[in-house]
Amino acid sequence: QQPVQSPQAVILREGEDAVINCSSSKALYSVHWYRQKHGEAPVFLMILLKGGEQKGHDKISASFNEKKQQSSLYLTASQLSYSGTYFCGTEGSGGGADGLTFGKGTHLIIQP
Amino acid sequence: DTAVSQTPKYLVTQMGNDKSIKCEQNLGHDTMYWYKQDSKKFLKIMFSYNNKELIINETVPNRFSPKSPDKAHLNLHINSLELGDSAVYFCASSQNLGGQAFFGQGTRLTVV
Repeated sequence: QQPVQSPQAVILREGEDAVINCSSSKALYSVHWYRQKHGEAPVFLMILLKGGEQKGHDKISASFNEKKQQSSLYLTASQLSYSGTYFCGTEGSGGGADGLTFGKGTHLIIQP
Repeated sequence: DTAVSQTPKYLVTQMGNDKSIKCEQNLGHDTMYWYKQDSKKFLKIMFSYNNKELIINETVPNRFSPKSPDKAHLNLHINSLELGDSAVYFCASSQNLGGQAFFGQGTRLTVV
């Protein structure tokens, strides 16, 4: 079952904050976040494992609520380099054997 | 010394042809994957190999076949190409199933 991401697209001014949500209809083992710039490969941001943890580095952080089967990615004081398409990838409760199922992506545009 | 490399980067071919895409990783990872990204940017897993054993085989047409001569290589063979096969194909690897994935630069396949 494909996770649902929202919003589909967002336009921000440099320095503004953004939240991207990812929700699943099935029990999750982990949530992965990737960013893809146009014409490039997806690049790993972070993994959140079952346990409701929150992670972050620099001004990008994420949370995982396993009871609600939801994850959110937080981008604070956005920079031009944050522009791209953000994908969440989810693993079912079977762990790695299920593989990653990606959402349709959230297109983020940061304007100067 | 690219971590995950794919060749070719672009591939234009006629319907009905057979083609291969090669992938190599020098990260010493145990797991490799093939993903397909369509024109709507939907990223879908096709196959994964863990220590040369096929772990996931999604419902892709049997015209697609992964071949892994060793742990560092996972090639994708496609027979009788169809227009709908046009997409960007990404190879990726991770330390183990469900781990952080490193993607190759992608192969843009265009079937005419």
